[in-house]
Amino acid sequence: AQSVTQLDSQVPVFEEAPVELRCNYSSSVSVYLFWYVQYPNQGLQLLLKYLSGSTLVKGINGFEAEFNKSQTSFHLRKPSVHISDTAEYFCAVSSTGTASKLTFGTGTRLQVTL
Amino acid sequence: NAGVTQTPKFQVLKTGQSMTLQCAQDMNHNSMYWYRQDPGMGLRLIYYSASEGTTDKGEVPNGYNVSRLNKREFSLRLESAAPSQTSVYFCASMGPGTRNEKLFFGSGTQLSVL
Repeated sequence: AQSVTQLDSQVPVFEEAPVELRCNYSSSVSVYLFWYVQYPNQGLQLLLKYLSGSTLVKGINGFEAEFNKSQTSFHLRKPSVHISDTAEYFCAVSSTGTASKLTFGTGTRLQVTL
Repeated sequence: NAGVTQTPKFQVLKTGQSMTLQCAQDMNHNSMYWYRQDPGMGLRLIYYSASEGTTDKGEVPNGYNVSRLNKREFSLRLESAAPSQTSVYFCASMGPGTRNEKLFFGSGTQLSVL
C-alpha cells in the first residue's frame, strides 16, 4: 500500500512570485507520481506525471516537478505564478505493478493575490 | 466530445433515502472510478471497474454499491443514505493500455444528507 502526504493545506503567494507545493509519498514498491489541479466547482485535471526516465517533469501552465527517490518527494514548482493559478492541487501515487488505482493526498490550496 | 458526464450536479436527501448517481463516458475507456471528496481528506476511492463486467472495492466502499451497466456507464447507489455520506462525488475514467497516465474526471455531484 502507498500513501501521500501534502503537509501544506494552504499556500498564499503574491502574483509573479515563485511557489513550491510539497508532496512526500510512502511505498514499498516502485511508484508512478502525479499532480492534479482542481479549479473551483470543477473536476480534477492532470497537471503532470512521472512514470520513468528524467526526474524533472514539466507539465502544463508552466509547472514542473522533480522526483527525488531518496527523499521520497515529488514537489511541484512554478517560477512565477499568476492569479489564474489559484486552485487546489493534489499529489497522487500509484504502484507500477497494479491496475489503475491512485491514492491522493489531502490537497494544497494555492491562493494567489495581487 | 463530452468526456465524463455525471448527474445530478446537486442532491439533497433525508437520512434513510436511497438514490443512484449516474456516470457516463464517451471516450471508449475501459476503467471507471467513483471517488468522494471531503474537506481535509482529499479524494478517496469508493469503487472502481477495471473493465466492463468487473467491479472492485476501493478504500471506502461501505454504504455504497455500484453497477457497470456497459462500457460507457458506471453508477453509484446509496441504499440508505447517512449524514456521513454528505460529500462531493466524482466519477472518473481512464483509457485502455495506460498505466495511470491520465484520469478524466466529471464535474462532480454535491450530495447533502440531512
